[in-house]
Amino acid sequence: TAGITQAPTSQILAAGRSMTLRCTQDMRHNAMYWYRQDLGLGLRLIHYSNTAGTTGKGEVPDGYSVSRANTDDFPLTLASAVPSQTSVYFCASSEGGENTGELFFGEGSRLTVL
Amino acid sequence: GQNIDQPTEMTATEGAIVQINCTYQTSGFNGLFWYQQHAGEAPTFLSYNVLDGLEEKGRFSSFLSRSKGYSYLLLKELQMKDSASYLCAVPDSNYQLIWGAGTKLIIKP
Repeated sequence: TAGITQAPTSQILAAGRSMTLRCTQDMRHNAMYWYRQDLGLGLRLIHYSNTAGTTGKGEVPDGYSVSRANTDDFPLTLASAVPSQTSVYFCASSEGGENTGELFFGEGSRLTVL
Repeated sequence: GQNIDQPTEMTATEGAIVQINCTYQTSGFNGLFWYQQHAGEAPTFLSYNVLDGLEEKGRFSSFLSRSKGYSYLLLKELQMKDSASYLCAVPDSNYQLIWGAGTKLIIKP
């Protein structure tokens, strides 16, 4: 079972360029999330979607945008990358909200902005 | 505001028992989660506590005291594969998870 698939696995990006991180799940989960994980800090929520067609801002949304056109896909876009967006990005999904049960994570996308 | 504290790093010996603590401050309480994350991998779910007390799941147990804002993860019969980071998380008032920075557990032979 694939679960959640993220692409690319890693990427080096020049500052000012745009980038879309892809996330696809095959579990028919309603909710999906994008986190960033930085050394010494906990996972921080960037954006989330409780169901297809809706999105919401998390703790650190600035510089990022998302869309949820269907249940399976939840891409994260950086319109104009900056070095502070260098991080490991995790996509996750759950049947309901974050607080109600297990989150299933993708393998992560390591992004370096130079 | 919301805050979660965990030790940054712990070391234990193979075959032994280790307790990883987590203290939290939230406005309201909607449960506490523990996740395991091996280096370079994604976090995976370990446990969810919403009531006080100890919940056992094989070699891993999780304890919660809501009155003290305190939880711990107890790992018994440690194996080398238990070397990982252990993440504590609680929902905030908007039901979004607030994550601790994680405790890196190093297991020595």
